[in-house]
Amino acid sequence: GDSVTQMEGPVTLSEEAFLTINCTYTATGYPSLFWYVQYPGEGLQLLLKATKADDKGSNKGFEATYRKETTSFHLEKGSVQVSDSAVYFCARMPGGSEKLVFGKGTKLTVNP
Amino acid sequence: NAGVTQTPKFRILKIGQSMTLQCTQDMNHNYMYWYRQDPGMGLKLIYYSVGAGITDKGEVPNGYNVSRSTTEDFPLRLELAAPSQTSVYFCASQPTQGGYTFGSGTRLTVV
Repeated sequence: GDSVTQMEGPVTLSEEAFLTINCTYTATGYPSLFWYVQYPGEGLQLLLKATKADDKGSNKGFEATYRKETTSFHLEKGSVQVSDSAVYFCARMPGGSEKLVFGKGTKLTVNP
Repeated sequence: NAGVTQTPKFRILKIGQSMTLQCTQDMNHNYMYWYRQDPGMGLKLIYYSVGAGITDKGEVPNGYNVSRSTTEDFPLRLELAAPSQTSVYFCASQPTQGGYTFGSGTRLTVV
């Protein structure tokens, strides 16, 4: 069935380091793709999204590009901050469906 | 604007007890969802609703029930609590073809 695969965590970085969290998906058709972030003790918040191939979603310095040829939606940030420490979830919404399917999440810790 | 409100935030249940997790949204969203989050396992869909009076099972519905009598409310019922239901529960709402808005979660422990 359709699925989302994220890189295994946890990921530990120093402040100002470059971040990449890999996400690939399997799906028929043309799903919409999302990144959600969960800060400690909170619910998930939408970070960014892309609805069609070659779209780039961006927010708070994070970016992800919808790559249909590689079925990927990798999350990147050029310079992470301690406040970016959180769990990041990749998710997809198949065309014609409203239900999100989530990856398992990747925990990011940024040290000063 | 309150968004999605979940109560309680924390609860400890004994095996066999029952309880209802409350979820209310004030955004007039048609779609609502219940997920459970287990460590290292991401989120799994329990039940969902596409509108008042309509509910359907998700990936892991066993041991749970839901109702949707109004657009605003989507309570989740546990009838006979089991240790396997220890988890963090999240409610979410969604406008048609939009992104989800999540509540802050209910942390449930069954002992």
